[in-house]
Amino acid sequence: DADVTQTPRNRITKTGKRIMLECSQTKGHDRMYWYRQDPGLGLRLIYYSFDVKDINKGEISDGYSVSRQAQAKFSLSLESAIPNQTALYFCATSDFMHSGGYTFGSGTRLTVV
Amino acid sequence: AQSVTQLDSQVPVFEEAPVELRCNYSSSVSVYLFWYVQYPNQGLQLLLKYLSGSTLVKGINGFEAEFNKSQTSFHLRKPSVHISDTAEYFCAVTDDTNAGKSTFGDGTTLTVKP
Repeated sequence: DADVTQTPRNRITKTGKRIMLECSQTKGHDRMYWYRQDPGLGLRLIYYSFDVKDINKGEISDGYSVSRQAQAKFSLSLESAIPNQTALYFCATSDFMHSGGYTFGSGTRLTVV
Repeated sequence: AQSVTQLDSQVPVFEEAPVELRCNYSSSVSVYLFWYVQYPNQGLQLLLKYLSGSTLVKGINGFEAEFNKSQTSFHLRKPSVHISDTAEYFCAVTDDTNAGKSTFGDGTTLTVKP
């Protein structure tokens, strides 16, 4: 099993629909992140969480919400999807000291039509 | 605030040639630097990292990078590339003032031609 698992891998949804992307990890890391990847723009941080009770907005949090259900689970929701949220979404984890860098999931490719 | 600039968006190179992917960063404090590789339809995986100590860092798949504090650079190099090195490469920086969050560059697409 992968260290960081994202579901679904691919999703097509309609404008205005609510959608949830899920992430679970077996690394035992406290820190979890959601990033969005768009061509030519690198990765941009949406939300991050340093433990179950600590959730913080990243640089592009508008239109998104998150839930940290347990140390190992961190979900991203789009409350009302719009076409410019079409992107590749990555979940990542890291330890407190960040010594190992990030461990990424395989990504969710989301298309909003 | 920290920032990362990858100076080349695309780098084409022939197989067995050397390659350098350039990365400059901006931060007012001590930094941790990373290179990640993303193969098509996959997530990012850590290639190498600089945390402290020796400025020449060796990673997986024969890649290495050199931390240059005076030039605020962390360029990635490989002496002889293979077709299988074709991928997108991301430079990232973290510092202690940013609560451990990484800032990523826009990526460099390395294309190795036969």
